[in-house]
Amino acid sequence: GQQVMQIPQYQHVQEGEDFTTYCNSSTTLSNIQWYKQRPGGHPVFLIQLVKSGEVKKQKRLTFQFGEAKKNSSLHITATQTTDVGTYFCAGISGGYNKLIFGAGTRLAVHP
Amino acid sequence: DGGITQSPKYLFRKEGQNVTLSCEQNLNHDAMYWYRQDPGQGLRLIYYSQIVNDFQKGDIAEGYSVSREKKESFPLTVTSAQKNPTAFYLCASSTSGFSSYNEQFFGPGTRLTVL
Repeated sequence: GQQVMQIPQYQHVQEGEDFTTYCNSSTTLSNIQWYKQRPGGHPVFLIQLVKSGEVKKQKRLTFQFGEAKKNSSLHITATQTTDVGTYFCAGISGGYNKLIFGAGTRLAVHP
Repeated sequence: DGGITQSPKYLFRKEGQNVTLSCEQNLNHDAMYWYRQDPGQGLRLIYYSQIVNDFQKGDIAEGYSVSREKKESFPLTVTSAQKNPTAFYLCASSTSGFSSYNEQFFGPGTRLTVL
């Protein structure tokens, strides 16, 4: 079936270190969305990428969509304790036409 | 104050009982969704509705039922046929359906525990 793989599953960093999570699909994606879920909370939309090779930035967060539209990454520069949570990618594969979520990467930031 | 509400936040039921989870939105969104989240897993789509009086099965619809009689409301019933109903249930909505690539707005979730 349609799957979006996300790695790593967990990441522990010291405050100030960088963090990256990767999202991979076996099929071409029409788009990629990123969501953040704080502990005990619900997913909140961060951003959407649609174009091949697209790069978008939100302050310390950088989002990339691969040239082949099969992978994406989220990079956080100089993590802060407020970055703690689980980051999910989600995409629509052309033939499936539903949003498929990755399993998420849980980020822990130690002060 | 616009948003999505889900109630209750925590729900306990005995095995074999049906239970209905509520989801209401005042965002005037056409599309609504139900997801299930289990520890260490992503969100899995149970049912979705792109317009009033119409809904489609998602990836794990067995043991669940929904209705969409009003634009604002999309209740989910967890039936006794659902083999492992204990989970965190998230309702979401978007301006229109999947093909429009709209962002989804999530409610606070209901944590269902079946004893």
